[in-house]
Order: sequence, then structure tokens, then C-alpha cells
Amino acid sequence: GAGVSQSPRYKVAKRGQDVALRCDPISGHVSLFWYQQALGQGPEFLTYFQNEAQLDKSGLPSDRFFAERPEGSVSTLKIQRTQQEDSAVYLCASSLSLGTDTQYFGPGTRLTVL
Amino acid sequence: DAKTTQPPSMDCAEGRAANLPCNHSTISGNEYVYWYRQIHSQGPQYIIHGLKNNETNEMASLIITEDRKSSTLILPHATLRDTAVYYCIVRVENDYKLSFGAGTTVTVRA
Repeated sequence: GAGVSQSPRYKVAKRGQDVALRCDPISGHVSLFWYQQALGQGPEFLTYFQNEAQLDKSGLPSDRFFAERPEGSVSTLKIQRTQQEDSAVYLCASSLSLGTDTQYFGPGTRLTVL
Repeated sequence: DAKTTQPPSMDCAEGRAANLPCNHSTISGNEYVYWYRQIHSQGPQYIIHGLKNNETNEMASLIITEDRKSSTLILPHATLRDTAVYYCIVRVENDYKLSFGAGTTVTVRA
């Protein structure tokens, strides 16, 4: 069966540009997560959705980061006015029902800000 | 959240068991021990989790000490495809966040 997919897999942006990263969770999965992984480090939590409701956005590093999941399925992570420190791999994960279920991760989007 | 301590790296021989240690000396009674791994250029993959009893599945075994202050992930017959970063995570039962540390880089050598 299809797993979590993310697009694009690689994104290069010039400093100051806006970017949008897409996540397609496993069909039927209620919970969706975004993580940020800097080079050589473990992933760090950004935000969590249950259906279309964003229940926790405490990990978003600044107000330039915005995530949405309007229909409770596909999610988009948007970064406005990108900075070099935003360069990282952005990982999406989904779980079947509650957030405490096993999380299944996508391959990530590698963002490079020049 | 309780924090975990893992060795930064370890090597093991193909076909041998790989024993990955993790210390979590401040773990609370309602916190589970989870293991994930991340193969290069892929997202993390769930391996196994446990509370206090030892657990086994098709991928690995998890041995948790009686005082729960440490655990060991055992890959019974390591293959080259097991080369990855392995993360030991302590997670409160009703907490949806996964708090990854730096993990252990495991290299399986032929």
C-alpha cells in the first residue's frame, strides 16, 4: 500500500522566497505531524493535526512558519521569507487515529536556502 | 520528558547480533521506551516499543531492565541494510510528540 508521500523531495530557494511543502498522509490516517531535521541531528517536532484541527503548533520556530490541513487529509507547510537557517529536511508523519499511535514517516523534503 | 543517552556510533559484523544500549535513568512510571531507525535519505521507521516487559517482533527485541533505567535493542542477525541511525525515545503514554535525540549511528560491516 502507499505510504506517506511528500513533494517536492528537494527544494532550493533564494533567501526571502516563500516555499510550500506538501504532505500526503496514508489514506484514512487521522493524525498528521511535521518535523524538522537539521543536518546531523534528530528530527524535531513542529506541529500536529488531528483531522483538520491543528492541536499543537508549539514547535514552529517563528511566525514565518505556517501549516494547514483544510480537509483533514493533505497538509501543506508554508515558510515565508525563507532564511538560511531554515535549511533542513522537513518530515511529515501520519498515524491511524490518536497521536499516540505508531507514526509513519514520509521520505522528507530537503530544503536548501541560498 | 525523560532524556535518553545513547553511544554516538557503533559497528557490528554482518550476521551477528547487534546490541544497542540506551540509558533513561529519569524515566517515569507512565513513560514508554520507543525505538525508531532512520536509514540514509529516508524518514524514520518504527521498530518496537515497551513499558516494562521485554518485547519481540519481526524486526528486533527490546530488553528493559527491571528498574527501567536502561534498555537494549537487539537486532538478532544484522544485515548491511540495517545500517542506520537508531533512536531511543522515551514517551509519555498520552503524548503524541516524538522527541528524538542524536541517536546511535550503526554501521554493519561485511
